Amino acid sequence: AQSVSQHNHHVILSEAASLELGCNYSYGGTVNLFWYVQYPGQHLQLLLKYFSGDPLVKGIKGFEAEFIKSKFSFNLRKPSVQWSDTAEYFCASRGSGTYKYIFGTGTRLKVLA
Amino acid sequence: KAGVTQTPRYLIKTRGQQVTLSCSPISGHRSVSWYQQTPGQGLQFLFEYFSETQRNKGNFPGRFSGRQFSNSRSEMNVSTLELGDSALYLCASSLAGLASTDTQYFGPGTRLTVL
Repeated sequence: AQSVSQHNHHVILSEAASLELGCNYSYGGTVNLFWYVQYPGQHLQLLLKYFSGDPLVKGIKGFEAEFIKSKFSFNLRKPSVQWSDTAEYFCASRGSGTYKYIFGTGTRLKVLA
Repeated sequence: KAGVTQTPRYLIKTRGQQVTLSCSPISGHRSVSWYQQTPGQGLQFLFEYFSETQRNKGNFPGRFSGRQFSNSRSEMNVSTLELGDSALYLCASSLAGLASTDTQYFGPGTRLTVL
């Protein structure tokens, strides 16, 4: 069965700190991977996505994620966070050839000014 | 291009009532998925429709149902509401669902409160 795990439920950082949010997926075949962000009071927005090719994917607002197949991971990173990055972050997977997107439980990030 | 729209944005109902939520996908998108979002549970998949057919269903009771119209607009219905149904209900649309580059885009959600 397809599943996504996000191990950090709450993260608090100071501005300019580096960020890494963990995401592990479980699926026996080829997967597409996504990170979405939900800012307070706003709807879910796509941050970045991985389909194939270069395992290091760059997204909007300076975010990037690295797909490590051997570890079934797709961790989200940002070298220097800003107060405006305060949001909830969701990792999602979609098995190739399936119609279902599976989401993790989310990580709430709070950045202190 | 207009994004995914959902109506109404907020709803307050009492236990035992039923509710219908509506979703209009991005123009050209034929796949519509519904999710329930609650604190600590993340997004729980309800069902997905493509060309008026339900292709996938999550693990929710039969009180939760949906349908899709020929213009790809979708509705979700919850009957005999329970307190635990209070949540943000999200709709997401994508082009076709199976393409290797398919990506879902989300609407703002409908906040349902059951009293």
